[in-house]
Amino acid sequence: AQKVTQAQTEISVVEKEDVTLDCVYETRDTTYYLFWYKQPPSGELVFLIRRNSFDEQNEISGRYSWNFQKSTSSFNFTITASQVVDSAVYFCALNTQTDSNYQLIWGAGTKLIIKP
Amino acid sequence: KAGVTQTPRYLIKTRGQQVTLSCSPISGHRSVSWYQQTPGQGLQFLFEYFSETQRNKGNFPGRFSGRQFSNSRSEMNVSTLELGDSALYLCASSLEPNTGELFFGEGSRLTVL
Repeated sequence: AQKVTQAQTEISVVEKEDVTLDCVYETRDTTYYLFWYKQPPSGELVFLIRRNSFDEQNEISGRYSWNFQKSTSSFNFTITASQVVDSAVYFCALNTQTDSNYQLIWGAGTKLIIKP
Repeated sequence: KAGVTQTPRYLIKTRGQQVTLSCSPISGHRSVSWYQQTPGQGLQFLFEYFSETQRNKGNFPGRFSGRQFSNSRSEMNVSTLELGDSALYLCASSLEPNTGELFFGEGSRLTVL
């Protein structure tokens, strides 16, 4: 079964701390894509990254970094030197294709609270 | 460049009624997807349209339907509303289908009484 697990329901840290959001996935596919999205209080989901299953290189974008490890089926997201504006719900997602039907399977989300 | 626009933003209906939600994608985007978000079930995929054709479909009953117009604007309809249909309905657009790189609107919050 295709599944995405974000075990951390809520994380609260003080501004400037580093924080890692965990994502574990299950899939039978050999080719797949993983995603991270951010949902601020306004409700509008914002695309952060897409990673394909053949690219295990870590990705860094400013204060954001992603660690993809196929051996543990994980795609973790780290925010360095967190800021209040990082407060949001973060979703990890996995693409799945059954027959010709394509859809994203979403984790439950991790609510990140950054305290000033 | 304008983002994805959803209307209405908020609406209240009663059980048994029907509702139509509208979505205007980013200019140039030809694919539109719809998602339902609830505290209990999280984000669930409803369907995706491309070139006026439904390309992908989630596991929702037939009461949930959609369509896409030639200008890529999309509507979704829920008939015979149930209390459990109360949710945030999110529309997302993308250049092409099946990419996963989606640009979302702010959603339409539906409350069913």
